[in-house]
Amino acid sequence: SQTIHQWPATLVQPVGSPLSLECTVEGTSNPNLYWYRQAAGRGLQLLFYSVGIGQISSEVPQNLSASRPQDRQFILSSKKLLLSDSGFYLCAWSRQSTGELFFGEGSRLTVL
Amino acid sequence: AQSVTQPDIHITVSEGASLELRCNYSYGATPYLFWYVQSPGQGLQLLLKYFSGDTLVQGIKGFEAEFKRSQSSFNLRKPSVHWSDAAEYFCAAYTGTASKLTFGTGTRLQVTL
Repeated sequence: SQTIHQWPATLVQPVGSPLSLECTVEGTSNPNLYWYRQAAGRGLQLLFYSVGIGQISSEVPQNLSASRPQDRQFILSSKKLLLSDSGFYLCAWSRQSTGELFFGEGSRLTVL
Repeated sequence: AQSVTQPDIHITVSEGASLELRCNYSYGATPYLFWYVQSPGQGLQLLLKYFSGDTLVQGIKGFEAEFKRSQSSFNLRKPSVHWSDAAEYFCAAYTGTASKLTFGTGTRLQVTL
């Protein structure tokens, strides 16, 4: 069966510090991979998605970047965090044929 | 533009009462349709999905949804709500042309005892 893991689960970082959130998928190959963000009390905002290694599509211009160094690994990064980067970050994968998303447990980032 | 609309931001129901959460989509062709649930501080869990065929879809936790092409709707229902159903519910659609789901803005369900 397929599983998805993302870490860390909770992160408190000062403004201006770097960020790295990691996500890995097991039990499938060549998945589509996604990073979403939820601000407090808000809906889902798609940040990045990837249909293959090294292929990244950015949905919203911002302070963040994403990379896919391996088929089942997706990394969300920032060189210098802003207060507005605080939120709940969700990684997800999907089968390319159906679009059905499978989500990780989320990473809560607080920027102080 | 393709979109998914959940007109109810917040719904409150009593435990044991029936529930219907509304979802409308705007697409040129019938998309694949999904309902997800999110408990506080957790990821999203798939409740049910519609690809084609029978328009009444059964899901987990006693939920069902009915696809109505004429109304471009995919409403989620449950005959008797339990306190543990309190959560955020998201409707989503997929056509395959953009490799990504389009989500509605979500409906927060509160259950009173």
